[in-house]
Amino acid sequence: NAGVTQTPKFRVLKTGQSMTLLCAQDMNHEYMYWYRQDPGMGLRLIHYSVGEGTTAKGEVPDGYNVSRLKKQNFLLGLESAAPSQTSVYFCASSFWTNNEQFFGPGTRLTVL
Amino acid sequence: KQEVTQIPAALSVPEGENLVLNCSFTDSAIYNLQWFRQDPGKGLTSLLLIQSSQREQTSGRLNASLDKSSGRSTLYIAASQPGDSATYLCAVRKNNNDMRFGAGTRLTVKP
Repeated sequence: NAGVTQTPKFRVLKTGQSMTLLCAQDMNHEYMYWYRQDPGMGLRLIHYSVGEGTTAKGEVPDGYNVSRLKKQNFLLGLESAAPSQTSVYFCASSFWTNNEQFFGPGTRLTVL
Repeated sequence: KQEVTQIPAALSVPEGENLVLNCSFTDSAIYNLQWFRQDPGKGLTSLLLIQSSQREQTSGRLNASLDKSSGRSTLYIAASQPGDSATYLCAVRKNNNDMRFGAGTRLTVKP
């Protein structure tokens, strides 16, 4: 099992550009999450999904959109990138709400 | 709003020492608490998950305790090794999808 994988690992964008981050899991997990990690602030939840075809807002959803068209994939989109979105983005998944979360390796995004 | 605090922010110990990392949270109505390890430039690795009905969990040299009433959890590491050097994060799940993370404790174990 590959677990949780993320694509790409690194990306540099200019302000106003758009991009999509891909998360994939092969553990048949229902729940998937997108977090961002900023120095000194801990991880914060951006969006999450409780199953295929569902999405919901987390703590810091502004400027991001998500889609869960297939159970194994969770996409995070930035329509118009801003420097404030410079961060490390982590995807995670869990079988159910009470189960442990498994994390991907992260995507380091810089917006100039 | 749930606040999660980890003290100290950084800790340096000699190899072989037993140590305790602390995590405190403000709202005791939680589903579970999870401890993670994060190596520099890497993702999070799950160490231990404690459900709200449990008092502790053990895995190898690691033992995590949970006291919901006082809003505290501790991660005990026995006989520390240089390979234990990493940042340790605790995360508290309040409800369906409200999971709050502490900022972490950066541990250095010196040979």
